[in-house]
Amino acid sequence: QLQLQESGPGLVKPSETLSLTCTVSGGSISSSSYYWGWIRQPPGKGLEWIGNIYYRGSTYYNPSLKSRVTISVDTSKNQFSLKLNSVSAADTAVYYCGRLEGDYWYFDLWGRGTLVTVSS
Amino acid sequence: SYVLTQPPSVSVAPGKTAMITCGGNNIGSESVHWYQQKPGQAPVLVSYYDSDRPSGIPERFSGSNSGNTATLIISRVEAGDEADYYCQVWDSNIDHVVFGGGTKLTVL
Repeated sequence: QLQLQESGPGLVKPSETLSLTCTVSGGSISSSSYYWGWIRQPPGKGLEWIGNIYYRGSTYYNPSLKSRVTISVDTSKNQFSLKLNSVSAADTAVYYCGRLEGDYWYFDLWGRGTLVTVSS
Repeated sequence: SYVLTQPPSVSVAPGKTAMITCGGNNIGSESVHWYQQKPGQAPVLVSYYDSDRPSGIPERFSGSNSGNTATLIISRVEAGDEADYYCQVWDSNIDHVVFGGGTKLTVL
C-alpha cells in the first residue's frame, strides 16, 4: 500500500528557505498515471495548492507562489521535494504532500502533514 | 483565476441529509472532487469526478454537478461525519489546482 511521508525542519527563520521532502513508499514515484504535489494549510485556514511535479520533471506552480517555489524529484530515492524561499510568518502552515491522479486531477493519497513555523 | 465558493458552515441533525455546495462559473463543465478533513488529520478524498466514490467511502456520500453548482450529499448523517469539507477542480486554462474555501459540517 503506497504511503507518503513529509520530512524537514519544523522551524525556519524569516527570509530563509523552507525545504521539505516527501518520501514515497510501497510503490514507485515513476508512474505514468500520477503527478506528485504539495499543499499547505495555515493554522485555522483552508487548503492552498503549492504545485505539482511529474516524475520526468515537468512542473506546475500556483501563480501566487511561483516566484518563490521550486519542486524537484529524485526517482532514485523515490522522493520529491519542495523549496520555498524568502519565507515570512505568512508561510507558517501544515505542509502536505500528495499523489495527484493525472486524468481528472484529484489528490487520491495524502501524507500526514508536517507543521512548519516561520519565526526568529 | 477560477474561484470556488463554499458556505462556511452547514448544520444537520443525525440521520438527516446534508448538502454542501460548491459554486463556480459553469462548474458543471468541470470535474469536481471533494475531501473530508477531520481535526488534526490530513484530508481524505470522499468523491471524485463529480460523483464517483473511492473504495472504502460509504455509499452515504454522493455528488452531483450541474450548471454553476456542485453538491456533496451526505445521507443518513452520523456524528462521525462532522468535519471540514473542501471541493476542488483543475483549472485547465492555466493548469493549476483550485480548492474551495471549505465548509464546516456540524452534526447537531
